[in-house]
Amino acid sequence: AAGVIQSPRHLIKEKRETATLKCYPIPRHDTVYWYQQGPGQDPQFLISFYEKMQSDKGSIPDRFSAQQFSDYHSELNMSSLELGDSALYFCASSSGTSGVTQFFGPGTRLTVL
Amino acid sequence: QKEVEQDPGPLSVPEGAIVSLNCTYSNSAFQYFMWYRQYSRKGPELLMYTYSSGNKEDGRFTAQVDKSSKYISLFIRDSQPSDSATYLCARSYNTGGFKTIFGAGTRLFVKA
Repeated sequence: AAGVIQSPRHLIKEKRETATLKCYPIPRHDTVYWYQQGPGQDPQFLISFYEKMQSDKGSIPDRFSAQQFSDYHSELNMSSLELGDSALYFCASSSGTSGVTQFFGPGTRLTVL
Repeated sequence: QKEVEQDPGPLSVPEGAIVSLNCTYSNSAFQYFMWYRQYSRKGPELLMYTYSSGNKEDGRFTAQVDKSSKYISLFIRDSQPSDSATYLCARSYNTGGFKTIFGAGTRLFVKA
């Protein structure tokens, strides 16, 4: 069965650079969630989209923005990167009518040097 | 105080043991309770979810919710080395989308 796809899997950036993370949800899933997981930490909810509209917002810094496109894929844009942004970034998807069951992607490991 | 409190462990048990993993939560709103399993460098994988008090069983796994004490548990019977992972409890509630709050995760090691 198709799973959530994230790209790239690994990304190395320098401080103050910009990064773009991509997420392709499971086919027919219309809701996308972004999480940030620091080393030894639990996943922290950043933002979610339902039917291309932002549905909820968590602890996402103002330097980050995200959107969901017409094909339901989502992109997380991160600017003015800081060392503390180094983390695993997970995307999850669900069907809007059963959003409690979120399926997670393999994550993008971002390292900021 | 975190919305979901979970002992990070680590917890080490011999193969075949019964494992008990526990969490407490602080919000009384209608919500779902979930258990995720996360292997190293992988995304969390949903194991079970429930919204009512009582037990829910799936194979060797049993999820238990006690809403009166705001306590959720996961029991693993006949634990296997392949069960070694981090187990995250979570609560999820509808805010337009489903917002999920995770516990810190408990690292479990099952020794052969």
